[in-house]
Amino acid sequence: GENVEQHPSTLSVQEGDSAVIKCTYSDSASNYFPWYKQELGKRPQLIIDIRSNVGEKKDQRIAVTLNKTAKHFSLHITETQPEDSAVYFCAASLNGGFKTIFGAGTRLFVKA
Amino acid sequence: DSGVTQTPKHLITATGQRVTLRCSPRSGDLSVYWYQQSLDQGLQFLIQYYNGEERAKGNILERFSAQQFPDLHSELNLSSLELGDSALYFCASSVARSAGGPNTGELFFGEGSRLTVL
Repeated sequence: GENVEQHPSTLSVQEGDSAVIKCTYSDSASNYFPWYKQELGKRPQLIIDIRSNVGEKKDQRIAVTLNKTAKHFSLHITETQPEDSAVYFCAASLNGGFKTIFGAGTRLFVKA
Repeated sequence: DSGVTQTPKHLITATGQRVTLRCSPRSGDLSVYWYQQSLDQGLQFLIQYYNGEERAKGNILERFSAQQFPDLHSELNLSSLELGDSALYFCASSVARSAGGPNTGELFFGEGSRLTVL
């Protein structure tokens, strides 16, 4: 079955710096790759997603890149702010949501 | 508010007992997913239902079962509870179709049901 690996497990950056989180997936049939942010004690919420026919997508300070050949995708957060501190999960799925499998999560700390 | 409702929010019970967690998906969403999140752990996929039928199964224990009813709400039944079953159980819904039709893929999570087994 699908397996998603996520690195690093913990990331600490200074406010204003960039943060990069990387994920790899195992099932080459996966075609939808969302990223979710979970603040402490809250539910996960989608922050950005990318589909297999696109190599890069950007939304203000966040961007995601996808390399289907390498089965690798990454989240980039620029100009980090303290409110970016949270756990970030990558995920991979078939047919836009079917059996969405999550990575183990990255706890991001942004120091003011 | 995601539109996904989970009850109860908190539940404390003893080992060996059985509990039922309930989820009402967003209006119009046909797919319901259940995930388990243990302390400082990731989101472990348990099971997915689509329009009343089981669509995918993850690492769900045999002591656990689920179903989706005709009104699309879902229940997760956990039996013979063990200490290690203590976790936050999330339900999520989406409009995911198995083939064709509009399909965003985004999962909308409920607030979760926190289960504590003593």
